[in-house]
Amino acid sequence: SQELEQSPQSLIVQEGKNLTINCTSSKTLYGLYWYKQKYGEGLIFLMMLQKGGEEKSHEKITAKLDEKKQQSSLHITASQPSHAGIYLCGADGAGTASKLTFGTGTRLQVTL
Amino acid sequence: EADIYQTPRYLVIGTGKKITLECSQTMGHDKMYWYQQDPGMELHLIHYSYGVNSTEKGDLSSESTVSRIRTEHFPLTLESARPSHTSQYLCASGDREVSGANVLTFGAGSRLTVL
Repeated sequence: SQELEQSPQSLIVQEGKNLTINCTSSKTLYGLYWYKQKYGEGLIFLMMLQKGGEEKSHEKITAKLDEKKQQSSLHITASQPSHAGIYLCGADGAGTASKLTFGTGTRLQVTL
Repeated sequence: EADIYQTPRYLVIGTGKKITLECSQTMGHDKMYWYQQDPGMELHLIHYSYGVNSTEKGDLSSESTVSRIRTEHFPLTLESARPSHTSQYLCASGDREVSGANVLTFGAGSRLTVL
């Protein structure tokens, strides 16, 4: 099965600072998904990347997938308290019957 | 507004009790999933279904069982709960053939505590 390692495991940043979360796969990624989870809640889909070198942005969040399709990063610019939560990357295997496997998670706290 | 609903949100029960966690979705998705989430955040797939009368075990062994009699409903049952079953259980659904991608919609979760 696909193994996904996220770093850092936890992060505390001051409001207004930039930050980056990394997701590294042991196998080639056919699809890479970023989700956010507020404490005690379900996951909310953020973005999906499929092509090597692809980059997507939504508001102050940018996700990238490297050319080799084994590593993705999530960058938040000018962090706000609303960005606090748990960020999880999910990976897709080959084929339409594949199941989504999730990474180890990164807990983000944003201080005032 | 949530299109996938989980009940109960919180449940505290004694050892040996039988419990059922409910999950319903209104999106007509064929694929549904149950994930168990550690306190350490990692999600583990315990059950999934690709349609009515189809259920499979996931990557993490679980003593729970599931059923899929209707497309919209995917309940999870523990016949005899134990403290080791204490966890957050997340239900999700998706339809790759429609969306072209494996984007899942998650419920808000059911937090189970077994004393």
